[in-house]
Amino acid sequence: AQTVTQSQPEMSVQEAETVTLSCTYDTSESDYYLFWYKQPPSRQMILVIRQEAYKQQNATENRFSVNFQKAAKSFSLKISDSQLGDAAMYFCAYRIGRDDKIIFGKGTRLHILP
Amino acid sequence: NAGVTQTPKFQVLKTGQSMTLQCAQDMNHEYMSWYRQDPGMGLRLIHYSVGAGITDQGEVPNGYNVSRSTTEDFPLRLLSAAPSQTSVYFCASSYGVEETQYFGPGTRLLVL
Repeated sequence: AQTVTQSQPEMSVQEAETVTLSCTYDTSESDYYLFWYKQPPSRQMILVIRQEAYKQQNATENRFSVNFQKAAKSFSLKISDSQLGDAAMYFCAYRIGRDDKIIFGKGTRLHILP
Repeated sequence: NAGVTQTPKFQVLKTGQSMTLQCAQDMNHEYMSWYRQDPGMGLRLIHYSVGAGITDQGEVPNGYNVSRSTTEDFPLRLLSAAPSQTSVYFCASSYGVEETQYFGPGTRLLVL
């Protein structure tokens, strides 16, 4: 079965510091896509960053970047210069190339300490 | 564009009642999906559709039906509500499953 594991149910980081959220996944496929979604208290799901497995270069979006380790099946999210607005649930997700399903992890709740 | 809209925002049902959660998008997206979110469980895929007239089951399809008669609409039907279906339901759409999914605001359902 395809699985996505987020081993950190909750994390805290001081404002302006850097934090890394971990995600591992299990697949035997070589073609797939990985995502990080943010869910603030408003409950709205927002795409943070997306990575194609065939691309070796790690994706970045402003203060958000990923560390994609394909051999280790690891897809961690790094948030630099953390801001109060970054407080949210973060979900890792993936979809394999030949499938139409997206599988989500259970999420990591991130607290930002002022 | 309104994006992805869901109605109602909140609903209380009694066990055994039926209802339909509505989802609509105005972005001409082919791919639409329904998720349920429960504490500590993340989002679990219920049903999805890759285009009008095509639907398929996700991880937790039991107790739910869907149809996709138009590109814009993807309603989720609960035929006989059970307390285990108490959850927050999200509808999402995208041009393709590998593309960015746009989520609706969610429907909170309480089954007594």
